[in-house]
Amino acid sequence: EAGVTQSPTHLIKTRGQQATLRCSPISGHTSVYWYQQALGLGLQFLLWYDEGEERNRGNFPPRFSGRQFPNYSSELNVNALELEDSALYLCASSQGHREGGYTFGSGTRLTVV
Amino acid sequence: AQSVTQLDSQVPVFEEAPVELRCNYSSSVSVYLFWYVQYPNQGLQLLLKYLSGSTLVESINGFEAEFNKSQTSFHLRKPSVHISDTAEYFCAVRSSGNTPLVFGKGTRLSVIA
Repeated sequence: EAGVTQSPTHLIKTRGQQATLRCSPISGHTSVYWYQQALGLGLQFLLWYDEGEERNRGNFPPRFSGRQFPNYSSELNVNALELEDSALYLCASSQGHREGGYTFGSGTRLTVV
Repeated sequence: AQSVTQLDSQVPVFEEAPVELRCNYSSSVSVYLFWYVQYPNQGLQLLLKYLSGSTLVESINGFEAEFNKSQTSFHLRKPSVHISDTAEYFCAVRSSGNTPLVFGKGTRLSVIA
């Protein structure tokens, strides 16, 4: 069974540009979560999608947005990139929002220069 | 809102020595607790979880954690560590309802030969 896959693995953008990150959940998982892992800050919750709807959002500005497609894959868009957006972006999925944990992908390393 | 405190950012320990990684969470009526491990340049892997029942939970590679409701703690322990245990460990908590996993800032475990 394929795990959570994220693409691209690395992404380099210049300040002010837009970045699009993609995530494919485990087959059968309907919930997708996005986290930002910046150096020294741990994992910060960004967004949660379930059945195509945004269910919850972390404390991030509106230039962080995303969507979930009918096949449950998801993309995260970051507009007007700033240097401090440089981080590892992790996607996770779960089978509905049950009490169990999430399965994480390996992440996309976004570098803003 | 839930919060998680991992009291030690770095823990160096000699091979075959015991280790305890500390985790405290803010109080809630009911919580689900998790430990994840992140090896270099990889995503997070679920190590163990407490959902209900026995307060002592174990992983397949010798780690265990004990849920202590009165102290709002979920410390991770291993009686004898190996070099291969060198990684970053994250404690996470989720309350019931539509809330995502909240992570601590992580503890970097370094096992010294």
